[in-house]
Amino acid sequence: EDKVVQSPLSLVVHEGDTVTLNCSYEVTNFRSLLWYKQEKKAPTFLFMLTSSGIEKKSGRLSSILDKKELFSILNITATQTGDSAVYLCAVEVSQGGSEKLVFGKGTKLTVNP
Amino acid sequence: KAGVTQTPRYLIKTRGQQVTLSCSPISGHRSVSWYQQTPGQGLQFLFEYFSETQRNKGNFPGRFSGRQFSNSRSEMNVSTLELGDSALYLCASSFLRIDTEAFFGQGTRLTVV
Repeated sequence: EDKVVQSPLSLVVHEGDTVTLNCSYEVTNFRSLLWYKQEKKAPTFLFMLTSSGIEKKSGRLSSILDKKELFSILNITATQTGDSAVYLCAVEVSQGGSEKLVFGKGTKLTVNP
Repeated sequence: KAGVTQTPRYLIKTRGQQVTLSCSPISGHRSVSWYQQTPGQGLQFLFEYFSETQRNKGNFPGRFSGRQFSNSRSEMNVSTLELGDSALYLCASSFLRIDTEAFFGQGTRLTVV
């Protein structure tokens, strides 16, 4: 069974701290790994990773994938209160000629002023 | 352009009833996928529709079903509701397949009493 595990499940930091969120996976037919930010209800897309070792960066957020060790990390530097959210990792897998997303349970990040 | 629209936003049903949720994707998007999100299980894939055909299905009982219309709007139906079906139901639309451009709706919060 395809599995995606995120750690930690929750994290409380102060503004300005740097955080690292982890995502490991065990799936068959891996296609890509995606990170989403969920603040209220609708997850919003952050990154898609398909190749090992290539860092994706957007402002203070960055992410990298290791396909050999089957994990990805999401880094947030100089955190702000607006970064408080649940961060979801999902792995896109091929199944029966199409694809589906397998999600981890998320990391709840709280950034205190 | 308009985002993904899910209706209704909130719903309260009693055990044994059935419910139909609606999702209108972004104009031009042909793939609609559905997810169930609960605190214990996180986001779980229900099914994906593309051009009115179910392309992929998650591990949910047959009480969960869906369909897609020619205008790409999708509905999901849950029959014989159980207390455990209480969850946030999210749909995501994408142009061709589940990938970086999957945009999520705000979800329908279903409570079964």
